[in-house]
Amino acid sequence: AQTVTQSQPEMSVQEAETVTLSCTYDTSESDYYLFWYKQPPSRQMILVIRQEAYKQQNATENRFSVNFQKAAKSFSLKISDSQLGDAAMYFCAYRSVGAGNMLTFGGGTRLMVKP
Amino acid sequence: NAGVMQNPRHLVRRRGQEARLRCSPVKGHSHVYWYRQLPEEGLKFMVYLQKENIIDESGMPKERFSAEFPKEGPSILRIQQVVRGDSAAYFCASSPTAGTGANVLTFGAGSRLTVL
Repeated sequence: AQTVTQSQPEMSVQEAETVTLSCTYDTSESDYYLFWYKQPPSRQMILVIRQEAYKQQNATENRFSVNFQKAAKSFSLKISDSQLGDAAMYFCAYRSVGAGNMLTFGGGTRLMVKP
Repeated sequence: NAGVMQNPRHLVRRRGQEARLRCSPVKGHSHVYWYRQLPEEGLKFMVYLQKENIIDESGMPKERFSAEFPKEGPSILRIQQVVRGDSAAYFCASSPTAGTGANVLTFGAGSRLTVL
């Protein structure tokens, strides 16, 4: 079974600065998908970014980018120019190819943004 | 173009009562997933359903929990004889297909169950 680990329960960043959230996972599969989800206080799960494991190029979505290190099984999220609205819980998630849409989530990192 | 609608948003039950949580997927989506989030934890997969079929229930407790997605109407997650440990946020998500590609789930806002 796959496991996803987020080793930082809490992180804080100054507004306009850059922060990196860590995620590692364990799998014996060679092809899979990785995701970062944001959960603000409203509890709504919002997709931030996704990465296909077969793609070497790191995914980027505006101020959000990932550092995908397949050999190290690491998938960190970098948030540039942090904004107050970025404050939320962030969850890393893994999905096998062909596994329907069953996601395995990490335990989450709470991000605080200081004005 | 409504997203995934879950109700109720908040539900309070006493131990031993039944809880019913409803989920209407995005229009046109025929695949529904239920996840549970315990306090301060990530979401855990419970069950995957298509219309009138349970595809994978490997994450669902064997007793007291059941789920359905009828031909007409919302998907229902039913918890019988609730206990305090069932207190959690229950999230429903939907997708248009089985997710063999990079399909992304659309999540609802969750239903928070509190068992007194």
